[in-house]
Amino acid sequence: NAGVTQTPKFRVLKTGQSMTLLCAQDMNHEYMYWYRQDPGMGLRLIHYSVGEGTTAKGEVPDGYNVSRLKKQNFLLGLESAAPSQTSVYFCASSVDGQYEQYFGPGTRLTVT
Amino acid sequence: AQSVTQLDSQVPVFEEAPVELRCNYSSSVSVYLFWYVQYPNQGLQLLLKYLSGSTLVESINGFEAEFNKSQTSFHLRKPSVHISDTAEYFCAVRLSGYSTLTFGKGTMLLVSP
Repeated sequence: NAGVTQTPKFRVLKTGQSMTLLCAQDMNHEYMYWYRQDPGMGLRLIHYSVGEGTTAKGEVPDGYNVSRLKKQNFLLGLESAAPSQTSVYFCASSVDGQYEQYFGPGTRLTVT
Repeated sequence: AQSVTQLDSQVPVFEEAPVELRCNYSSSVSVYLFWYVQYPNQGLQLLLKYLSGSTLVESINGFEAEFNKSQTSFHLRKPSVHISDTAEYFCAVRLSGYSTLTFGKGTMLLVSP
């Protein structure tokens, strides 16, 4: 039981490049979330999903897109990366949205 | 919209001293409260949670937090800290009927010998 895994762990992008971050969970959780963590800002919700095939915007969705084609996977895409998207990205999942969220180890993204 | 305030960005303490990390939230509806811990270069781990029932909740490693509805607070305490407690601690709130969490900005607990 690996819990929540994230791929890749580190990535450096140039401004304007695109990439996809992959989150996978093996706990059969319905809800999945993408956050970004910046120094002194805590965690801010980017997008989330309440089940396969659904997505919803969080607090800071601009510049990101997501897809949940399979229940166990939640993808976060950056179509045209900007330096302001330099951050650590965390994925999380939850059984049904009521209880605690389980977090992945994070992806450190630098956009130059 | 709800907000979560962690009043201290950094709390330095000596080993074996007591500590309190403060968390206040703003909401007029029922809330569910969580404390998460983040060790360096790792993801967040749940430390403890208040969903209902007793307002005093405890973790397996000696931390406790008390839900105070009148003061809209959920402060985290430990009577005697260890070096290994050095980490960043996040308070989070979920409103009744919602499935998302709002996090505070975090408090860095620095324990020195």
